[in-house]
Amino acid sequence: GQQLNQSPQSMFIQEGEDVSMNCTSSSIFNTWLWYKQDPGEGPVLLIALYKAGELTSNGRLTAQFGITRKDSFLNISASIPSDVGIYFCAGQSRETSGSRLTFGEGTQLTVNP
Amino acid sequence: EPEVTQTPSHQVTQMGQEVILRCVPISNHLYFYWYRQILGQKVEFLVSFYNNEISEKSEIFDDQFSVERPDGSNFTLKIRSTKLEDSAMYFCASATGPDNEQFFGPGTRLTVL
Repeated sequence: GQQLNQSPQSMFIQEGEDVSMNCTSSSIFNTWLWYKQDPGEGPVLLIALYKAGELTSNGRLTAQFGITRKDSFLNISASIPSDVGIYFCAGQSRETSGSRLTFGEGTQLTVNP
Repeated sequence: EPEVTQTPSHQVTQMGQEVILRCVPISNHLYFYWYRQILGQKVEFLVSFYNNEISEKSEIFDDQFSVERPDGSNFTLKIRSTKLEDSAMYFCASATGPDNEQFFGPGTRLTVL
């Protein structure tokens, strides 16, 4: 099946710092999504990307859909304590795997005040 | 803002028992999904459902699993005879279309003893 490699696995940063995480795959995806998950809760959608090369922002978050369609990154600027959580990338490839989402392993973000 | 809801939030059951996990998708959504997340691991696709039938399923979704949309609002996942390894968080998700963002519920934590 399709695999997404997400890095880094964890990050420990100071409040106010910028953060970057990324996902790569050997397969092409048509859609990239970034979710945040707090402990004991469901993934919450942050940003959705639909076109290769697309750069989209949502407040302090910026994500890009790689031009090869095999990667995506998420940046968080000026981090705050409530940014703490696990961030997952997810890809969708309608041609090869229908509408299912394939998730990365997650990036655990810790923000020290 | 409309959201996906799930009940119960936590289900404890004995091995071999049947469980039914319930979801109410967002009301104008037509595509429904179940995912699971074993503790500390990534989210994994189980099944997608559209137009009252299964669209696709993963290798995890074996004969012990079934899904149903018994009325116009509920979407259920049944595990016929639970095993210890079925212990996980189960997330329902819904979308307006097969290529659109999937919104997740808060999850049901299933514990099989």
